[in-house]
Amino acid sequence: DTGVSQDPRHKITKRGQNVTFRCDPISEHNRLYWYRQTLGQGPEFLTYFQNEAQLEKSRLLSDRFSAERPKGSFSTLEIQRTEQGDSAMYLCASSLVITGNEYFGPGTRLTVT
Amino acid sequence: SQKIEQNSEALNIQEGKTATLTCNYTNYSPAYLQWYRQDPGRGPVFLLLIRENEKEKRKERLKVTFDTTLKQSLFHITASQPADSATYLCALDYSGGGADGLTFGKGTHLIIQP
Repeated sequence: DTGVSQDPRHKITKRGQNVTFRCDPISEHNRLYWYRQTLGQGPEFLTYFQNEAQLEKSRLLSDRFSAERPKGSFSTLEIQRTEQGDSAMYLCASSLVITGNEYFGPGTRLTVT
Repeated sequence: SQKIEQNSEALNIQEGKTATLTCNYTNYSPAYLQWYRQDPGRGPVFLLLIRENEKEKRKERLKVTFDTTLKQSLFHITASQPADSATYLCALDYSGGGADGLTFGKGTHLIIQP
């Protein structure tokens, strides 16, 4: 399968715990995005990388959120001190600079209890 | 701030008819406007992209129009099939290449009835 993959697919955690999600983009894609989606809403942009550089961060990305893309390959999104409001689907997408359309992974569904 | 409006109610269409979905936005026009399909529990899937200087784009049974004067895009599915039932998302790309990510609408839930 050469699509975008995300791990884990589901995560249940207790409030206050830290969680980390992983995204593996399509191999030749140089852009990688993170979005958050809650029920009944469209995805909301969180951050994106071009190669290993993080070029844009949404105001939604509080200081409890951090994202990395070492060596411009896979990416991780970490949420520290999780809150119930963090419960959502976290989507990763990748693209080529020249095309603009994004390829999404299946998402990681986070539930904070 | 930018506001994107899509049909908030579910759209019920009889199989074989044309489904037309609407995306309206406020403020300035994006460089690209994109449409995605999303099935329950899955990530969005790209369907079509139209640039601000294009009026219409087609792909098989799909057609999208883009009117920057009306600040509106219409998405058409002709000869609709039950398998077309899904949520369809409109997304605006202001940078023209995804440099700032996409701004999505809430989506329209389309139901094609046999």
